[in-house]
Amino acid sequence: QVQLVESGGGLVKPGGSLRLSCAASGFTFSDYYISWIRQAPGEGLEWLSYISSSHSTIYYADSVKGRFTVSRDNAKNSVYLQMSSLKAEDTAMYYCARASNSGGYFPSDYWGQGTLVTVSS
Amino acid sequence: DIVMTQSPDSLAVSLGERATINCKSSQSVLYNSNNKNYLAWYQQKPGQPPKLLISWASTRESGVPDRFSGSGSGTDFSLSISSLQAEDVAIYSCHQYYSTPFTFGPGTKVDIK
Repeated sequence: QVQLVESGGGLVKPGGSLRLSCAASGFTFSDYYISWIRQAPGEGLEWLSYISSSHSTIYYADSVKGRFTVSRDNAKNSVYLQMSSLKAEDTAMYYCARASNSGGYFPSDYWGQGTLVTVSS
Repeated sequence: DIVMTQSPDSLAVSLGERATINCKSSQSVLYNSNNKNYLAWYQQKPGQPPKLLISWASTRESGVPDRFSGSGSGTDFSLSISSLQAEDVAIYSCHQYYSTPFTFGPGTKVDIK
């Protein structure tokens, strides 16, 4: 069955860095775009970024552009989100999610359980 | 960026009654070349990730009960739950995947009256 498992969250000081990982299984990972989406406590969903199956297409939301970098390793069935210059407003649950079809313009059908990032001094 | 708005913010419906949630996009999410609306609906229960209910504005995902239905086109959409069940208590969010950055509505909380 399709599974996505995030890891790497935790408590970090403002200005610090963190690297999130998303390990996928149960599908042909290299065929699918993967998105990162976050949800601040008590708030709605915010799409952050996606990376195409071949790394050739990457988009970022303005809120994280220049601070976050997404990458993937198809050999390891994993996607990563390198986060730097973290701010208190980056505190959120971070989800990775798979596009429902190969290609970029599809909704995410499978989501991980999320990893919590807390930015606080 | 396409801004998604939803109404109401919350609603309480009696068991077995209909619940309807509205979603509006700041610009059309209808792609004319394939006549598809790039609009999805998600259900999120406390402590869980969102679950995709409907894509392309009206296509139910596999396994989603047929009491859930989506409608609308262009900029105005709705999600209906024809006969509310206790397990439908959740937050429902619309989502456009027509253009990046993809965006979500703020969510509508559905409760039992």
